[in-house]
Amino acid sequence: DVKVTQSSRYLVKRTGEKVFLECVQDMDHENMFWYRQDPGLGLRLIYFSYDVKMKEKGDIPEGYSVSREKKERFSLILESASTNQTSMYLCASSFGSDNSPLHFGNGTRLTVT
Amino acid sequence: RKEVEQDPGPFNVPEGATVAFNCTYSNSASQSFFWYRQDCRKEPKLLMSVYSSGNEDGRFTAQLNRASQYISLLIRDSKLSDSATYLCVVPRGSSGSARQLTFGSGTQLTVLP
Repeated sequence: DVKVTQSSRYLVKRTGEKVFLECVQDMDHENMFWYRQDPGLGLRLIYFSYDVKMKEKGDIPEGYSVSREKKERFSLILESASTNQTSMYLCASSFGSDNSPLHFGNGTRLTVT
Repeated sequence: RKEVEQDPGPFNVPEGATVAFNCTYSNSASQSFFWYRQDCRKEPKLLMSVYSSGNEDGRFTAQLNRASQYISLLIRDSKLSDSATYLCVVPRGSSGSARQLTFGSGTQLTVLP
């Protein structure tokens, strides 16, 4: 079974703090993704990566950056957290081929106060 | 047309009922499709993949109509445990970008005793 592990289930941070969300997968997947999910807006893609050291912007990258130094780890960074970044953050991974399904971590619920 | 559009729901059905959800998509190049299930405050989990005209797994049947660009999910003999939000998922674009998936906004199902 694919395991995608997110480092924190719940996180509370203050406005202006730098926040790191970590994600690790154990299936040697090439692709990794960060989404956020908000009521009424569904899942929105923030950033993704198809390979180590590679990153691409998704639909809503503003205010975020990512790091992929190792194949199994994909980190999401909030450079200066703001209250509108309060959300559920979901990491996912998939095989490198097209049309592969995503496997999600159990999410990090981030609150920025 | 939106990239992925689902029945808004919510659907409230009695135990044992048959219920069907529809989903339309705009990208005619999409080769495969997915239904995910998401329980309240949990991550989405893959329910079914659809690569050809359809797929059946126990009480669940997914059908694909490429000409009309819609996918459906049929649940027979509904159980209380089927209560969840069902997400229709479609790859974006053609080769390469098909690694990115677009999620519908979800259809909420509640099965009543």
